Amino acid sequence: GAGVSQSPSNKVTEKGKDVELRCDPISGHTALYWYRQSLGQGLEFLIYFQGNSAPDKSGLPSDRFSAERTGGSVSTLTIQRTQQEDSAVYLCASSLVGGSGRAMTDTQYFGPGTRLTVL
Amino acid sequence: AQSVTQLDSHVSVSEGTPVLLRCNYSSSYSPSLFWYVQHPNKGLQLLLKYTSAATLVKGINGFEAEFKKSETSFHLTKPSAHMSDAAEYFCVVSDRNAGNMLTFGGGTRLMVKP
Repeated sequence: GAGVSQSPSNKVTEKGKDVELRCDPISGHTALYWYRQSLGQGLEFLIYFQGNSAPDKSGLPSDRFSAERTGGSVSTLTIQRTQQEDSAVYLCASSLVGGSGRAMTDTQYFGPGTRLTVL
Repeated sequence: AQSVTQLDSHVSVSEGTPVLLRCNYSSSYSPSLFWYVQHPNKGLQLLLKYTSAATLVKGINGFEAEFKKSETSFHLTKPSAHMSDAAEYFCVVSDRNAGNMLTFGGGTRLMVKP
């Protein structure tokens, strides 16, 4: 079946501009995660959505970063007033079950990522 | 808090020889542990996972890993390396008490010489 898809695959923008990155999770997956992969920081958790619950935003590096998930499916990560240190690969993942105390089908499946370059 | 340490940033082996990628973790709870592989310009692919069942876990492409609680280790092995195994490998721990948020190790780049 179809995996996690992300668009665009590459994005080049100028410092100070806003960007939107899109993630389409695997159909039926209730949990959705955003991660960032950069040379200096490795792979970092950004934000997590589980069903209709309020998202866990504990990994967002600044208030310039925000994300939403419409209809429990597609998610958009928005970076406002981009800075050069925002350059990274942004990865989205989804899983069937995200909460604790449930049968452990917690495997996260990753999309190919969006490579963001801020000039 | 949980953390993952991959002890080698680079490992180089000859084709046909065994592979050992080392991983140690720290977790306050019974962890779920994963190994993911990332080929150049590709997404992360799950190799295998441990979720408190059998301590020896078999994954795809001939890889396996053994969970050793006493050593807090989850090393990845393969009996015979293939050229196509050259990639970056990530050891990952999942925090079940934080929505299964993943914490990644720093990665090990595996190089396979002909």
